[in-house]
Amino acid sequence: AQSVSQHNHHVILSEAASLELGCNYSYGGTVNLFWYVQYPGQHLQLLLKYFSGDPLVKGIKGFEAEFIKSKFSFNLRKPSVQWSDTAEYFCAVKDDYKLSFGAGTTVTVRA
Amino acid sequence: GAVVSQHPSRVICKSGTSVKIECRSLDFQATTMFWYRQFPKQSLMLMATSNEGSKATYEQGVEKDKFLINHASLTLSTLTVTSAHPEDSSFYICSARDPLGAGGGVNEQFFGPGTRLTVL
Repeated sequence: AQSVSQHNHHVILSEAASLELGCNYSYGGTVNLFWYVQYPGQHLQLLLKYFSGDPLVKGIKGFEAEFIKSKFSFNLRKPSVQWSDTAEYFCAVKDDYKLSFGAGTTVTVRA
Repeated sequence: GAVVSQHPSRVICKSGTSVKIECRSLDFQATTMFWYRQFPKQSLMLMATSNEGSKATYEQGVEKDKFLINHASLTLSTLTVTSAHPEDSSFYICSARDPLGAGGGVNEQFFGPGTRLTVL
């Protein structure tokens, strides 16, 4: 079965700091990879996705992620965070039919 | 992106009652919808896959007689928690897959805002 692990449960940082959230998955076949964000009181929104091609994917709001197949990783990055990036971030992996989520990382950005 | 709504957003009920949660795709037709359950500080756990016009596919460990799913139209799926108990209290989230990309991404899943169920 698919498993997705996110290394950080809670990250606290100041505005303008750089952010990197780790994500590793276990599935060895062809996967589609996603990062979702859930702002306080809102529904899950897609930040970015990787299906194939360039392993460096750029998403909305200045986020990007890099797929490293040899490491089974899909880490999320943002060079300079803002207070409005405070949210819960979920990595997700889709195999043949099912989307599996990591436990999520709470990101708190202090002004 | 496409919009998925859920109703109600919050429900409190007594133990033993049944609760129905609706999930609607507002601007696209979804042949497949998904129901997730999210515990505090934990991941979304897929409960079942709901296919329009056919029986839902339940994940291992999910009681299909407890969590009844109906996907009677291309824009509506319902989850009924039957004879709810306090341990069923949770945050239930649905998502709908957009097979044609009407919402901006082919086969992309769009999530509803969730329903907070509290069983007393």
